[in-house]
Amino acid sequence: DTGVSQNPRHKITKRGQNVTFRCDPISEHNRLYWYRQTLGQGPEFLTYFQNEAQLEKSRLLSDRFSAERPKGSFSTLEIQRTEQGDSAMYLCASSLVGTVNQPQHFGDGTRLSIL
Amino acid sequence: DQQVKQNSPSLSVQEGRISILNCDYTNSMFDYFLWYKKYPAEGPTFLISISSIKDKNEDGRFTVFLNKSAKHLSLHIVPSQPGDSAVYFCAARANNNDMRFGAGTRLTVKP
Repeated sequence: DTGVSQNPRHKITKRGQNVTFRCDPISEHNRLYWYRQTLGQGPEFLTYFQNEAQLEKSRLLSDRFSAERPKGSFSTLEIQRTEQGDSAMYLCASSLVGTVNQPQHFGDGTRLSIL
Repeated sequence: DQQVKQNSPSLSVQEGRISILNCDYTNSMFDYFLWYKKYPAEGPTFLISISSIKDKNEDGRFTVFLNKSAKHLSLHIVPSQPGDSAVYFCAARANNNDMRFGAGTRLTVKP
């Protein structure tokens, strides 16, 4: 395992359906982040976990969104009752937080298209 | 709230010349700054970073400069190569928390 892995790479679904994405971070990393990226913009922060605890949620994370990291390893991001505006690239990143600044490392994302 | 801004959506440079990408920020609490490179259909790849206690960090062809008083940082690539063509994102972080990204600058290096 040399990097952050995200599945699926692409998801096409009809409006109103529920979708779930999975992220497997770099194994020794204790922090896991979810971002959303739309065309022409940089990634926007959604939420992050330190081990299994969800420490922060963005205002972008409406009540239709839920994220979990049950055992402090992989994480899932679920979107319920999807809307057209949810179409975006969903990126996961992980990092090792300690006394020294460490960068976040990203997966290749899950591209969500809502029909 | 656009806390990190990259005002140039695109930049075109001749191979072998210097590429300079700029980034401005507004939040004085940011203490760690990063540059990421992104190719199509891939996630952002970490390139180089700088802590707020420094004003320069160099890694091979890449150098990041930080001007805290102006709340400005820049990425210099010299010499530029065609393989450097990508979208470059500037990011900033405060107190080891989440990152804020700029909108990106598309760099094209022409052979």
